[in-house]
Amino acid sequence: GDSVTQMEGPVTLSEEAFLTINCTYTATGYPSLFWYVQYPGEGLQLLLKATKADDKGSNKGFEATYRKETTSFHLEKGSVQVSDSAVYFCALTQGAQKLVFGQGTRLTINP
Amino acid sequence: DTAVSQTPKYLVTQMGNDKSIKCEQNLGHDTMYWYKQDSKKFLKIMFSYNNKELIINETVPNRFSPKSPDKAHLNLHINSLELGDSAVYFCASSQPGISGNTIYFGEGSWLTVV
Repeated sequence: GDSVTQMEGPVTLSEEAFLTINCTYTATGYPSLFWYVQYPGEGLQLLLKATKADDKGSNKGFEATYRKETTSFHLEKGSVQVSDSAVYFCALTQGAQKLVFGQGTRLTINP
Repeated sequence: DTAVSQTPKYLVTQMGNDKSIKCEQNLGHDTMYWYKQDSKKFLKIMFSYNNKELIINETVPNRFSPKSPDKAHLNLHINSLELGDSAVYFCASSQPGISGNTIYFGEGSWLTVV
C-alpha cells in the first residue's frame, strides 16, 4: 500500500539556521502531497501542498517540491524562527480517499 | 468561522464509560473522516464517510461507532472505554477533486481514559 517515510526526529536547530526535513513516499498512481504542522497543544494545520510532479508548494517561508523521479517532497526553510518549533507531518492522498501520514518530525528551534 | 469544529476539546473519563465526540464542517464537503493520533504522535485514519455513507473502516474495534446524520456532521461514539483509547481524535473533511484533494482538520479532541 501507499506509505510515507520522514526523517527521524527530533531535530534541533538554532534560530536562523537552514532547515530540511526529508520525506519520501511510495504510491501507485499520482498522489497529491502535503505538509501539515502541529504546534504544541494544537491541532493539525495544512502548511503547503503540491498536486503534480514538479509543483512547488510554499507558505510562511517553507517550500517543498514534488519530485516524481526521486519520489520525494522534502520540506525546506531558509531561516527558521523559534515560532517554527512544532511537529511536521508529510502526507499523501489519492482521490481524497484518505491521507497517509509519515511518522512526524519534531522540530525544536533554540534562540 | 471555524471550518471543521469538534467538541469537546478535552475529555477525561473513567474506564468502561461511553462517550461521544461531535464534529461539524461548514465547508460543504462531501467526505468526512476520523483520525486517531497516539501518544507517539502517529496519525492513522479510523473512518471515512462520503455523503453519509461509510467508505473506509480501518479495522477499528466495534466499540467505536461513527454516525453521520447528514453530510455536514460525523460524530464518534465510543463504548466501554479502555485505557488504550486515550489519544487525540481528529475530525476532518474534504471534497474529492477539489483543491488537490486537500483534507482539512478540526482542532482535535484530547481523550484521557483513567
